[in-house]
Amino acid sequence: DQQVKQNSPSLSVQEGRISILNCDYTNSMFDYFLWYKKYPAEGPTFLISISSIKDKNEDGRFTVFLNKSAKHLSLHIVPSQPGDSAVYFCAASTLKFSGAGSYQLTFGKGTKLSVIP
Amino acid sequence: DTEVTQTPKHLVMGMTNKKSLKCEQHMGHRAMYWYKQKAKKPPELMFVYSYEKLSINESVPSRFSPECPNSSLLNLHLHALQPEDSALYLCASSPGTSGRAGTDTQYFGPGTRLTVL
Repeated sequence: DQQVKQNSPSLSVQEGRISILNCDYTNSMFDYFLWYKKYPAEGPTFLISISSIKDKNEDGRFTVFLNKSAKHLSLHIVPSQPGDSAVYFCAASTLKFSGAGSYQLTFGKGTKLSVIP
Repeated sequence: DTEVTQTPKHLVMGMTNKKSLKCEQHMGHRAMYWYKQKAKKPPELMFVYSYEKLSINESVPSRFSPECPNSSLLNLHLHALQPEDSALYLCASSPGTSGRAGTDTQYFGPGTRLTVL
């Protein structure tokens, strides 16, 4: 059962426009959400996160919105740049400790973003 | 500095070989993770170490053996692997010091691309 879903496998956007990547989750225990960007054959790079006590977090061109009632979050990239072309993973964690100071991330399957110059 | 380093970058091994993957971080993080990622799939958690103790083993076959010699180092010892174990192996770390689960961010290394012949 997929607890974190990214229903769009791919997205194409013109350079300079807004990119909106969506993520839905089913586990109401998730309380922390993260977005990672990944280039081929490289490790995921942390982009931005949001705690469930907030509904918006902004960092430069990246903004994450959280709608807890809809169990939905989205990542907005404005303006989109060709260097943003990558696979974006949404991830979530629960309140349950897996061991002191560690926690488990549940990842979505990713959305491949292509920014066209 | 949020750097996690992994060596080697690429590894080709036969099914009878014994090899090791190495991961290092100097951020003072107390939680470290091994993930496996196949092409076009999200990272799958394998092991979690908290304060140098193994806290999670996600039913990983015994041909994968993790080791955490100290708080900065994480090894993954490989023996008698199968071709289907070929994948990108990712290491991650998180501070592990927050008082509440789910508020840490995991930082990933670049990965080791493993090919088993």
